[in-house]
Amino acid sequence: SQQGEEDPQALSIQEGENATMNCSYKTSINNLQWYRQNSGRGLVHLILIRSNEREKHSGRLRVTLDTSKKSSSLLITASRAADTASYFCATEEKGGSEKLVFGKGTKLTVNP
Amino acid sequence: NAGVMQNPRHLVRRRGQEARLRCSPMKGHSHVYWYRQLPEEGLKFMVYLQKENIIDESGMPKERFSAEFPKEGPSILRIQQVVRGDSAAYFCASSQGLDTQYFGPGTRLTVL
Repeated sequence: SQQGEEDPQALSIQEGENATMNCSYKTSINNLQWYRQNSGRGLVHLILIRSNEREKHSGRLRVTLDTSKKSSSLLITASRAADTASYFCATEEKGGSEKLVFGKGTKLTVNP
Repeated sequence: NAGVMQNPRHLVRRRGQEARLRCSPMKGHSHVYWYRQLPEEGLKFMVYLQKENIIDESGMPKERFSAEFPKEGPSILRIQQVVRGDSAAYFCASSQGLDTQYFGPGTRLTVL
């Protein structure tokens, strides 16, 4: 069954605006990771947040995690055309085997 | 420090043939994971291996699919008697077992 569900499925914004993507999941987790995928390419790891963390920053990225609501958000500030990509959240389930469970992703388009 | 390497990048097979996909993990990584991605979908876990051991194969179809990670050499994902439904992008990831998984560029398999 699908663990991570990203919302929205697609997002179109203008350069300079902020982009917020949300992810919900179902089970207890060890950590949650966000990845970016450019069309037809591999995945680039963006950020990992552990279950005992609430917020993490990396450059223009801000990730929050609310384990009581089983949800996470990824905020990209001051977006650029180069941020255009699909963004996936992936969870590592507690007591699992380290496998990641991915959502279907949010397709972000940043218009110049 | 080279990243995760996968080859071939593109593979075309006719129905009934065998497909062999190779993955060389990042230097120092002993954990390898295989995922499959259908068009416009997120990644689905297939199998998790450590050197010479399959740790979790819960996502791998019972028939026609096998994976190995020998003591020497790359990890191999083997698909026998391919069918059209096997057409997908196959991604390999590696880690040191310390949470973050780093992905390769993928192999795009097309079955004619």
